[in-house]
Amino acid sequence: QKEVEQDPGPLSVPEGAIVSLNCTYSNSAFQYFMWYRQYSRKGPELLMYTYSSGNKEDGRFTAQVDKSSKYISLFIRDSQPSDSATYLCAMEDTGRRALTFGSGTRLQVQP
Amino acid sequence: GAGVSQSPRYKVAKRGQDVALRCDPISGHVSLFWYQQALGQGPEFLTYFQNEAQLDKSGLPSDRFFAERPEGSVSTLKIQRTQQEDSAVYLCASSPASAGELFFGEGSRLTVL
Repeated sequence: QKEVEQDPGPLSVPEGAIVSLNCTYSNSAFQYFMWYRQYSRKGPELLMYTYSSGNKEDGRFTAQVDKSSKYISLFIRDSQPSDSATYLCAMEDTGRRALTFGSGTRLQVQP
Repeated sequence: GAGVSQSPRYKVAKRGQDVALRCDPISGHVSLFWYQQALGQGPEFLTYFQNEAQLDKSGLPSDRFFAERPEGSVSTLKIQRTQQEDSAVYLCASSPASAGELFFGEGSRLTVL
C-alpha cells in the first residue's frame, strides 16, 4: 500500500463547477501538506501549502487538512478550462526534506 | 535565472548506455532536489543537496544512479548502464532555503530502448 493514495481520475466537469480533489495518507509523521498543479510536459507548480489541520483559502482555491482522518482536500470554485491539468498532493514530515507525492488526479474542465 | 533549467529536455538512450542530466537551479537557491516521475505517476524523491552537500540520497534506486553538485550550484544526475525501467521524466527542483516552496524545472524525459 502506498503512503499517499489519490484517485487518478480523469475527472471531467463543466466550466463553473466546484471541483473536489482528495488524498488519503497513512504516515502520521506527515506535518506539511501541499497541492501542486502540473500541466502536460511541464514541471509541478505549487498551489497551496498548509501545516496542521484546518482550512486555507487563496482565491478560488481552498485546501483542507484533517489529520485525525489522514485526509486532505483541495476545492476549486468557479472552475475554468485553464484549470485543466493534473493535480498532485504532496506531503512532508518534519526533519526530512523529501516530499511524498500522490499519483495525481487528471482534471478536465469543459467550456 | 528566471527558473530552474534542465537539459537535455529529451534523451533517447540504448540500454546499457550512460546518461548525464543537468540541472541549473534558480540563482542563489541553497537546496536542490531530484525526483523521478514515471508515466501516470507522481514524482518520487531521489536525492537532496544543501549547497554542495548531499544530505539525503535514500531515494536513489540503485548504485547505477549518482548525483553531484560540486560547487553548490549546477547539479548533474548520472545514470550508468541504463535499463528500460529507467525510462521516466527526471525533475529537478530548487528552494531558496532549507525549508519552503520547491520550484520545479520542466524535466528531462529519458527513454531507454
